[in-house]
Amino acid sequence: SAVISQKPSRDICQRGTSLTIQCQVDSQVTMMFWYRQQPGQSLTLIATANQGSEATYESGFVIDKFPISRPNLTFSTLTVSNMSPEDSSIYLCSVELAGGPEYQETQYFGPGTRLLVL
Amino acid sequence: QQPVQSPQAVILREGEDAVINCSSSKALYSVHWYRQKHGEAPVFLMILLKGGEQKGHDKISASFNEKKQQSSLYLTASQLSYSGTYFCGTEDFGNEKLTFGTGTRLTIIP
Repeated sequence: SAVISQKPSRDICQRGTSLTIQCQVDSQVTMMFWYRQQPGQSLTLIATANQGSEATYESGFVIDKFPISRPNLTFSTLTVSNMSPEDSSIYLCSVELAGGPEYQETQYFGPGTRLLVL
Repeated sequence: QQPVQSPQAVILREGEDAVINCSSSKALYSVHWYRQKHGEAPVFLMILLKGGEQKGHDKISASFNEKKQQSSLYLTASQLSYSGTYFCGTEDFGNEKLTFGTGTRLTIIP
């Protein structure tokens, strides 16, 4: 597995502002992912962030609203732009690593960023 | 398409067994199981890759049916620490992203 950290852990923001969330991992990884999880709900993939290429966004998510940077193999940022109360959610990053007794690749998650937009 | 999990929620007493199902409308490359406790990140439990596969560790095991469209997670002699929401994450052929199921909330009471 890996140690994955996110900053900030939580924030309260005013509508119309933007917040940048950082994700740092303690080893080099090729694939990083950003998810949104609304309270009591499942995880929804926002985008896949690969180093050296543009992020790939899922249906319903656009770059202007959720710009992503991936400057190297251990770090990524997700910005939530022009926020509205509907953006209140938990945002999680994950990385793909080999793990488990058979070293099969799976995703390991950061602790999440709890965002409340007023 | 999001896989469907059943049941949505279950309450058990310590020592009882639980089965959580994850169903897809199409054949999958793999299924990944996670447990998420309230306020925490999802934690990886296990992956299944092969049709007909069964695997597990300690008192938590899982199966993947021959058609690779359904997986089940088995929790035997449940402990208080097993409480949380369980998610399956499914991976399609040729696509490394996971699509997470609807979730099953498991509550273990003394």
